Amino acid sequence: NAGVTQTPKFRILKIGQSMTLQCTQDMNHNYMYWYRQDPGMGLKLIYYSVGAGITDKGEVPNGYNVSRSTTEDFPLRLELAAPSQTSVYFCASSRAEGAFFGQGTRLTVV
Amino acid sequence: AQSVTQPDIHITVSEGASLELRCNYSYGATPYLFWYVQSPGQGLQLLLKYFSGDTLVQGIKGFEAEFKRSQSSFNLRKPSVHWSDAAEYFCAVGEGGADGLTFGKGTHLIIQP
Repeated sequence: NAGVTQTPKFRILKIGQSMTLQCTQDMNHNYMYWYRQDPGMGLKLIYYSVGAGITDKGEVPNGYNVSRSTTEDFPLRLELAAPSQTSVYFCASSRAEGAFFGQGTRLTVV
Repeated sequence: AQSVTQPDIHITVSEGASLELRCNYSYGATPYLFWYVQSPGQGLQLLLKYFSGDTLVQGIKGFEAEFKRSQSSFNLRKPSVHWSDAAEYFCAVGEGGADGLTFGKGTHLIIQP
């Protein structure tokens, strides 16, 4: 049982480049989330989804986009990377019992 | 809006000593409360959760937490810490639905030999 899988684990982007962070879960959870974690700031919610075809903004959505075509996958898209997007990104899926997190993607924008 | 405060950024505890990590929340209704642990370079692992019922909840790795509505607190405790408990600990609050969790800024736990 893999749980929540994120790829890549590390990435360096140049300013203005774009990329997609991949997230897939095999627990058949309807709810999925993207968070970013900055030092000393805890986790901030970027986007979330309650099911395939349905997404909504979280606390810090600017500069990001998401899609949810299947229950399993919830990719996060950065269109024009900026230094402020340097962070560690976590994908999570959940049911009422609590959220399960992936291992994270460490992104550096230079 | 809901919020979570973890007043201690760092805590140092000797191995074998007891531990209490503080968490205070602000929420309009009965919250869903969680404690997560994050080891360096890893994702977050759920330690325990409170939804309703008994206010003292048991979790994994020997941790427990007590919900005190009158104090808006959900403090994490362990009677005897081990060196492997050194990590970042996050308290979080949610509604139990799809809106995601609000996290505190975390407490970094250091274990002294």
